[in-house]
Amino acid sequence: RKEVEQDPGPFNVPEGATVAFNCTYSNSASQSFFWYRQDCRKEPKLLMSVYSSGNEDGRFTAQLNRASQYISLLIRDSKLSDSATYLCVVNFAGGTSYGKLTFGQGTILTVHP
Amino acid sequence: EAQVTQNPRYLITVTGKKLTVTCSQNMNHEYMSWYRQDPGLGLRQIYYSMNVEVTDKGDVPEGYKVSRKEKRNFPLILESPSPNQTSLYFCASSLLGQETQYFGPGTRLLVL
Repeated sequence: RKEVEQDPGPFNVPEGATVAFNCTYSNSASQSFFWYRQDCRKEPKLLMSVYSSGNEDGRFTAQLNRASQYISLLIRDSKLSDSATYLCVVNFAGGTSYGKLTFGQGTILTVHP
Repeated sequence: EAQVTQNPRYLITVTGKKLTVTCSQNMNHEYMSWYRQDPGLGLRQIYYSMNVEVTDKGDVPEGYKVSRKEKRNFPLILESPSPNQTSLYFCASSLLGQETQYFGPGTRLLVL
């Protein structure tokens, strides 16, 4: 089983749609969770951290369910510029594993006019 | 401008010819790391460093070496490249205690 699993998609949605991505992780001792965004042929960039209480940043909402070991990202009112690959990232910081980010495969989103 | 730079950005080489990919950051970050990204496998960590002269293996270290003689630089060395090391490589850095990592622009390597 992969440590971090995502539905690779692709998700094709029209502008204005709401789309949700899920991600599961296998290590129950994982401590920190993130969503990164990666544009085609570019480097990953942090989109948002994910907190236990859930957090929102504009049109983006992230949720964490520790009991079920999954993370979600909701994008409302999709824009063409949201087209990218979204990476679920988990940090297990224990022992010598400081700062070891484990990435999911990524979910491809295409927003069309 | 705060950034992570990598050189070269693109490289085509042949099996067995030693090469080095440089990584440099100007943010005084203690932590630096190398990843490779392959279709269907996502990003996988190769090596990381928590400070000068402190390096450790990631998930896929075989065939790679690193060094950290200065805080700002973290070169990735392929002593004898093989075709299975054809990949997109990213360097990243962060402050210790901060988990947000800043990535370089990537190096596309093709080993023939």
